[in-house]
Amino acid sequence: DTGVSQNPRHKITKRGQNVTFRCDPISEHNRLYWYRQTLGQGPEFLTYFQNEAQLEKSRLLSDRFSAERPKGSFSTLEIQRTEQGDSAMYLCASSLGVGGATRNTQYFGPGTRLTVL
Amino acid sequence: AQTVTQSQPEMSVQEAETVTLSCTYDTSESDYYLFWYKQPPSRQMILVIRQEAYKQQNATENRFSVNFQKAAKSFSLKISDSQLGDAAMYFCAYRSASSAGNKLTFGGGTRVLVKP
Repeated sequence: DTGVSQNPRHKITKRGQNVTFRCDPISEHNRLYWYRQTLGQGPEFLTYFQNEAQLEKSRLLSDRFSAERPKGSFSTLEIQRTEQGDSAMYLCASSLGVGGATRNTQYFGPGTRLTVL
Repeated sequence: AQTVTQSQPEMSVQEAETVTLSCTYDTSESDYYLFWYKQPPSRQMILVIRQEAYKQQNATENRFSVNFQKAAKSFSLKISDSQLGDAAMYFCAYRSASSAGNKLTFGGGTRVLVKP
């Protein structure tokens, strides 16, 4: 169990550019979540996957955001035409799935910090 | 929609002393889970403790314990024998136990400072 990993750890981009982040969940976990955390705030839910299916999306996920999990393993989060307001920490988490608090506990990666200039 | 409120932006504690962090939540559901996560500076978020709402017994994990008051919708975290490594942001989080419930709803966080 190597934990949840995210790449890159830091990304600086200019406004209007596209960026893509990757998340590798814990290997046996079939659920994967994306959250956004702005400075001094708690994380906010963006979207989650059960295997390769994207089952829920927050209203925070505008049409410039897209997430995929093509083979039910790693996931990517793409932001098109970035805006300064997109600057935040993007957190990925994974969990085993249904079955109570223990099985559904979400384990977080280190996050990708995005700065849009 | 569920909301989670942490009313203390920052708490300071002397090393080896005890500190209690407050968390209240609002929900119309009867079955849910509550969590405390710790986020050290520039490090990833880790689970401190979890509580199932159907359990009356308060959860404990070594020096960490909770006071779960379901009727009052309160879920406080007590850190005993505070250590320098406990310095971090602490987030209270809620998750529905329904089959559709998956996302965590977080409070705004409480920064814990530990004085040597």
